[in-house]
Amino acid sequence: DQQVKQNSPSLSVQEGRISILNCDYTNSMFDYFLWYKKYPAEGPTFLISISSIKDKNEDGRFTVFLNKSAKHLSLHIVPSQPGDSAVYFCAASGWDTGNQFYFGTGTSLTVIP
Amino acid sequence: EPEVTQTPSHQVTQMGQEVILRCVPISNHLYFYWYRQILGQKVEFLVSFYNNEISEKSEIFDDQFSVERPDGSNFTLKIRSTKLEDSAMYFCASSEQGLLNEKLFFGSGTQLSVL
Repeated sequence: DQQVKQNSPSLSVQEGRISILNCDYTNSMFDYFLWYKKYPAEGPTFLISISSIKDKNEDGRFTVFLNKSAKHLSLHIVPSQPGDSAVYFCAASGWDTGNQFYFGTGTSLTVIP
Repeated sequence: EPEVTQTPSHQVTQMGQEVILRCVPISNHLYFYWYRQILGQKVEFLVSFYNNEISEKSEIFDDQFSVERPDGSNFTLKIRSTKLEDSAMYFCASSEQGLLNEKLFFGSGTQLSVL
């Protein structure tokens, strides 16, 4: 039962370039999506979110895009910085999930200086 | 910024032993959660807790698991008789109101190793 999928376990990007992290989901009732960033030996920290009434949300260098028809969201980081190197988790919730979030397996981003 | 704290950071135990993982949620938050991540797998929901009661629990959260808020600050997860497959990173989280569109604040986790 993998309702949220991150199919790329890892991604390497040159500093200054764009990082694109992808996430797919299967539950059409999901209506709130978040990205969390996790450094080693730390817990996930909230990065950015988007609700299903929007298709884009931007916060500084971070932009999340939501394509509801494709059940797909992506996180764009522009420009990428070495400090962005971390594991990024996509998470989703909806009216039928109560107050639990469904997480993907994460994508490990490495930004090469 | 306020944070969720978890202790211990690492816990090693023998199979069949009881363990208690401890968490101090953010003080004005009302909803508390436990999630876990087995190495290489997704972060999985275990349980949510509100007003001194379990609000929701997953299939993972069987009779071997229990949660408690013994005082006004601590939130604990107990595993009565640990199994090898309980080895995972356990994350405590809290949120202010438990709303659907509300982010969770996570602690840094307790790495549980069952031998």
